[in-house]
Amino acid sequence: ETGVTQSPTHLIKTRGQQVTLRCSSQSGHNTVSWYQQALGQGPQFIFQYYREEENGRGNFPPRFSGLQFPNYSSELNVNALELDDSALYLCASSFELTGWETEAFFGQGTRLTVV
Amino acid sequence: AQTVTQSQPEMSVQEAETVTLSCTYDTSESDYYLFWYKQPPSRQMILVIRQEAYKQQNATENRFSVNFQKAAKSFSLKISDSQLGDAAMYFCAYRAQYGNKLVFGAGTILRVKS
Repeated sequence: ETGVTQSPTHLIKTRGQQVTLRCSSQSGHNTVSWYQQALGQGPQFIFQYYREEENGRGNFPPRFSGLQFPNYSSELNVNALELDDSALYLCASSFELTGWETEAFFGQGTRLTVV
Repeated sequence: AQTVTQSQPEMSVQEAETVTLSCTYDTSESDYYLFWYKQPPSRQMILVIRQEAYKQQNATENRFSVNFQKAAKSFSLKISDSQLGDAAMYFCAYRAQYGNKLVFGAGTILRVKS
């Protein structure tokens, strides 16, 4: 167990709907990253949050957005869901201090199915 | 942009034997980190081993060791005395020294036969 928890574990949504995924980071960590893992592929970086601000973004459209809260937990929001958004969404937390970052510890993921 | 390639979609090994998983990467950076992660059916990504590019010595963690060839941009994982619990998807990943993201390969499924 890494101390990173994600909720819910599974979710089914209809195309066009909106979804919010949640992540509770490991104690002491101040950075949260989100990844999308399509079936049979490696995870793809969506974005990272550091001290409540977005700190880098991958090649994902603006309908993917996020938040980080003062306790360093985080949300991933996806609007106007598309069938291709079906994937495992992984959250990873780490500690960053002026450019130096520890290893990322991952949660168990949220399996999102869009129908 | 950095890329990571794992050319073996699937590998099999007999219990107690040794297996090597391959990984190559492309980067113009001189300082970076390389990782091997294990993802069992439970889906949680678990760090297996980490290598800093500035270190010439290959990292070792118990039965897991790497062969890091910086000039060739190669980073293979050797698993000795394979156990049934080693069966999983293994991902090679790269992170720039001051980067904010992991770049993953496509993964290698490792099957362990008893």
